[in-house]
Amino acid sequence: ETGVTQTPRHLVMGMTNKKSLKCEQHLGHNAMYWYKQSAKKPLELMFVYSLEERVENNSVPSRFSPECPNSSHLFLHLHTLQPEDSALYLCASSQGTSGFPDTQYFGPGTRLTVL
Amino acid sequence: GEDVEQSLFLSVREGDSSVINCTYTDSSSTYLYWYKQEPGAGLQLLTYIFSNMDMKQDQRLTVLLNKKDKHLSLRIADTQTGDSAIYFCAEDPGYSSASKIIFGSGTRLSIRP
Repeated sequence: ETGVTQTPRHLVMGMTNKKSLKCEQHLGHNAMYWYKQSAKKPLELMFVYSLEERVENNSVPSRFSPECPNSSHLFLHLHTLQPEDSALYLCASSQGTSGFPDTQYFGPGTRLTVL
Repeated sequence: GEDVEQSLFLSVREGDSSVINCTYTDSSSTYLYWYKQEPGAGLQLLTYIFSNMDMKQDQRLTVLLNKKDKHLSLRIADTQTGDSAIYFCAEDPGYSSASKIIFGSGTRLSIRP
């Protein structure tokens, strides 16, 4: 596997379910990101992790809970979601060092539908 | 505040050149990016330009940067059907240990025969 992978690619869940999205990067990067992409809004940055520490949390509801156990893996735990949370969730990674450009590389996304 | 703006749609004839425009607000941005998103896929980095450059060319792609007007454009020469996608402009303000890239809303490029 190369680059950034995400599983599952598609997920349908009810509002009372608990599920998790997984992201894995094989690029040796130190920073990882979760974005939400919906028809109504451009890419919304949700969370940023640098060296496994959360450095950004853009006022995301607590029903979204990220986890970064190591620099290669990032999870997004979902519980009691709302239909408006249906969207494409994109994971990205970057070198995350002080050198620039700190280009982000994206996974294919998980298409989430909340019923 | 920081903002990146693009027009939502562009339609061009196959073989013509496509020009996608973008304006940004943060004058301290160090790098500006163009990403491409094909249907059902994530974002793919096409090219980037450093803020002290005016132009960058890479095969069929030409990026022009007018820093004074905070205007960025992407020109695709000899547009093909495979170029149909959403193109995102993004700026990197260049701070923090992890990038906080700000994306535009994307321009959907459609190709007509």
